[in-house]
Amino acid sequence: EAGVVQSPRYKIIEKKQPVAFWCNPISGHNTLYWYLQNLGQGPELLIRYENEEAVDDSQLPKDRFSAERLKGVDSTLKIQPAELGDSAVYLCASSSGLASGEQYFGPGTRLTVT
Amino acid sequence: AQSVTQPDIHITVSEGASLELRCNYSYGATPYLFWYVQSPGQGLQLLLKYFSGDTLVQGIKGFEAEFKRSQSSFNLRKPSVHWSDAAEYFCAVVRSNDYKLSFGAGTTVTVRA
Repeated sequence: EAGVVQSPRYKIIEKKQPVAFWCNPISGHNTLYWYLQNLGQGPELLIRYENEEAVDDSQLPKDRFSAERLKGVDSTLKIQPAELGDSAVYLCASSSGLASGEQYFGPGTRLTVT
Repeated sequence: AQSVTQPDIHITVSEGASLELRCNYSYGATPYLFWYVQSPGQGLQLLLKYFSGDTLVQGIKGFEAEFKRSQSSFNLRKPSVHWSDAAEYFCAVVRSNDYKLSFGAGTTVTVRA
């Protein structure tokens, strides 16, 4: 079974530029999560999707961040414009449902904003 | 509100020695508890989880953890570490009302020969 796939793995951009991250969850997983992980910290939830619906986006900075999960499978997280403080690892995870409690994580995208 | 505390930022252990990583949580009800491991450049991999039942939980790679309600702790242990266990370890808690996963800040484990 393929795991959670993310691309790109690394991205370097200048501040004020846009950037997008892509995630393909494990087949059949209806719940998809985007996390932000700063250096030396644990991941923090940005947004959670149930199928194509964003059911928890309370931690997503909506002035510059946006996300979509068309057709309830792949998802894209976008930042526009990027700021220096956005440098971090962006992790995608998926699960078969909330009740399982168990989330499967992708390798992440390491973003560096210069 | 709930929180997860991992008191040790960094632990160095000799190969073959035992390892214990501490985790404390604050939450009124019994949470779901997890330990994840993150190797450099990798995503988080689930080591083990506790939902209910036996308070001593066995996981992958020879790890185990014990849930102690009286101490609000869920410490991770391994009797004999291997060099490949060098990684960052995260304790996490899921609230049973909204299933939101909250992570501790992590403990970095260095294994010396």
